[in-house]
Amino acid sequence: AQSVTQLGSHVSVSEGALVLLRCNYSSSVPPYLFWYVQYPNQGLQLLLKYTTGATLVKGINGFEAEFKKSETSFHLTKPSAHMSDAAEYFCAVSDRLNNAGNMLTFGGGTRLMVKP
Amino acid sequence: DTGVSQDPRHKITKRGQNVTFRCDPISEHNRLYWYRQTLGQGPEFLTYFQNEAQLEKSRLLSDRFSAERPKGSFSTLEIQRTEQGDSAMYLCASSLGTRETQYFGPGTRLLVL
Repeated sequence: AQSVTQLGSHVSVSEGALVLLRCNYSSSVPPYLFWYVQYPNQGLQLLLKYTTGATLVKGINGFEAEFKKSETSFHLTKPSAHMSDAAEYFCAVSDRLNNAGNMLTFGGGTRLMVKP
Repeated sequence: DTGVSQDPRHKITKRGQNVTFRCDPISEHNRLYWYRQTLGQGPEFLTYFQNEAQLEKSRLLSDRFSAERPKGSFSTLEIQRTEQGDSAMYLCASSLGTRETQYFGPGTRLLVL
């Protein structure tokens, strides 16, 4: 089974500062990797995903992530935080099921707080 | 194009009661997933359908949990004899194919008193 570790359950940055949310995964096969964002009392919204090809992936709202196979990492960054970025962020890996389906295995999440 | 919808959004029940949640996936998506999210945790996979076939159910939390997707469109998740530990957010997602992006609904928040 694959696993996902998100370092730092809470991250606080000032508005305009760099956002860096860390994600490490374990996988026995080439992974598909995802970042989702969750606002209070809402479902998950896809920010970006890595499947194959270019290792730097750009997503919505100015976020991007880089797949580093040697480090088994998929960290999420944004150059300049905005107050509206305050939310819970989840990293996930697509995990193969025996019946040729797939499920997502999520990390524990990182709550991003943005200070004015 | 509407996204994934779930009903109800909130449910409060007493311990021992049965509850049923509904999920309507994106219309052309043939894969449907259920996840549970407890407070402060990431979602946890429960079960998965391809069309009307439930292809994975070994990760349902107990035999009190069951799910159906009778016509390959909407799905229901039922919890029988609810316990306080069942209090959580129940999320539904759908996708077009294997390893394709899963799109999530807003969730049903269950509180068992």
